Amino acid sequence: EPEVTQTPSHQVTQMGQEVILRCVPISNHLYFYWYRQILGQKVEFLVSFYNNEISEKSEIFDDQFSVERPDGSNFTLKIRSTKLEDSAMYFCASSRQSSYNEQFFGPGTRLTVL
Amino acid sequence: GQNIDQPTEMTATEGAIVQINCTYQTSGFNGLFWYQQHAGEAPTFLSYNVLDGLEEKGRFSSFLSRSKGYSYLLLKELQMKDSASYLCAVSSSGSARQLTFGSGTQLTVLP
Repeated sequence: EPEVTQTPSHQVTQMGQEVILRCVPISNHLYFYWYRQILGQKVEFLVSFYNNEISEKSEIFDDQFSVERPDGSNFTLKIRSTKLEDSAMYFCASSRQSSYNEQFFGPGTRLTVL
Repeated sequence: GQNIDQPTEMTATEGAIVQINCTYQTSGFNGLFWYQQHAGEAPTFLSYNVLDGLEEKGRFSSFLSRSKGYSYLLLKELQMKDSASYLCAVSSSGSARQLTFGSGTQLTVLP
């Protein structure tokens, strides 16, 4: 069964450093998402991406964040200058279409900012 | 904006039935999802309701009343492996239908 994959599973970085989190969505899916979950808190929407551009973004997704689909398979989330409060689990998700959008989640990347 | 409420914790016994409620207030609505999340893992899809009524899927059923802004997830014949967090999520009416999640209900199934 196809699945969303994410790398790395765990990333440790120093405050102020740039990180890139990588995702490979399911191959015939058209909508891509990033969510984050701070430990013990709820899953929060960051950004959605369709047709090679951002569809919607939340207040969390400020100028420090960017997304890219550099080729036909990868979908990346970049945090330009990490802050302590960026420590969280970051989930990538994809769906085939938007009208009935069962979103399939990847296993997540745990980001720890020191 | 959107606001989603569900109980923080519930406990039930193996073999029993449990109902997890969710209420929501939303400015746009394109369906309600239930996801299961085990600790340290990704959410996995359980059910989707966009019309009023009950959707049954094996041991799991989900109900929606749009006029009341209310849904529940019903789990039957509970098993120990059902111990997890159950997330209620509302799909927005935006173009990409992103999900807004509740805080989750931590279900503990006891032997």
